Amino acid sequence: QVQLVQSGAEVKKPGASVKVSCKASGYTFTSYYMHWVRQAPGQGLEWMGIINPSGGSTSYAQKFQGRVTMTRDTSTSTVYMELSSLRSEDTAVYYCARDNGIAAAGTTPYWYFDLWGRGTLVTVSS
Amino acid sequence: QSALTQPASVSGSPGQSITISCTGTSSDVGGYNYVSWYQQHPGKAPKLMIYEVSNRPSGVSNRFSGSKSGNTASLTISGLQAEDEADYYCSSYTSSSTYVVFGGGTKLTVL
Repeated sequence: QVQLVQSGAEVKKPGASVKVSCKASGYTFTSYYMHWVRQAPGQGLEWMGIINPSGGSTSYAQKFQGRVTMTRDTSTSTVYMELSSLRSEDTAVYYCARDNGIAAAGTTPYWYFDLWGRGTLVTVSS
Repeated sequence: QSALTQPASVSGSPGQSITISCTGTSSDVGGYNYVSWYQQHPGKAPKLMIYEVSNRPSGVSNRFSGSKSGNTASLTISGLQAEDEADYYCSSYTSSSTYVVFGGGTKLTVL
């Protein structure tokens, strides 16, 4: 079964860091780019960044540069998103979402998301 | 304020057709065919409905269609059904350092 399974909800204090995981199954993990998208309560979607699970290269939205780190573990087919210096405005549901583009040398993402995880709620509160 | 502009809400009766617009610039919607649409029911993850402006993924009803003219993309839902009631988001690749921009979302109400 093709799916993305994310880690459970987190509660963090301002200034702390959070690391969310997303485990892929049912397809070749290294063949497809992976994105992270977040959604604050009652708000719209916001793109955070993308990782190539094959080589590990990343690109981040300028808004999150310096605060976000995306990594992957090919042995467990898992991608991670770590966000540091958390503030209350970072309270949101964080989704991993697969890009339909093949992550091979010389290719580019397709920039649409065909498979989503269920989301991980991160609450930042003192 | 979202980078792409969508109406906050639209409504229609069962069986009718509705269209949701998504307006951007020549740096995103108008410059690339990387426009996609997502349906999101309350408490659920978004679901891909349209990709690359007008393509439908396998399993998505042919009542859903997409198009683009200039800097504005559109999602049309024909033969409205109760289960279509949801939030809809457009998305586009952008040449800016943001890479991907979303619309603010449109709440569809089936009367």
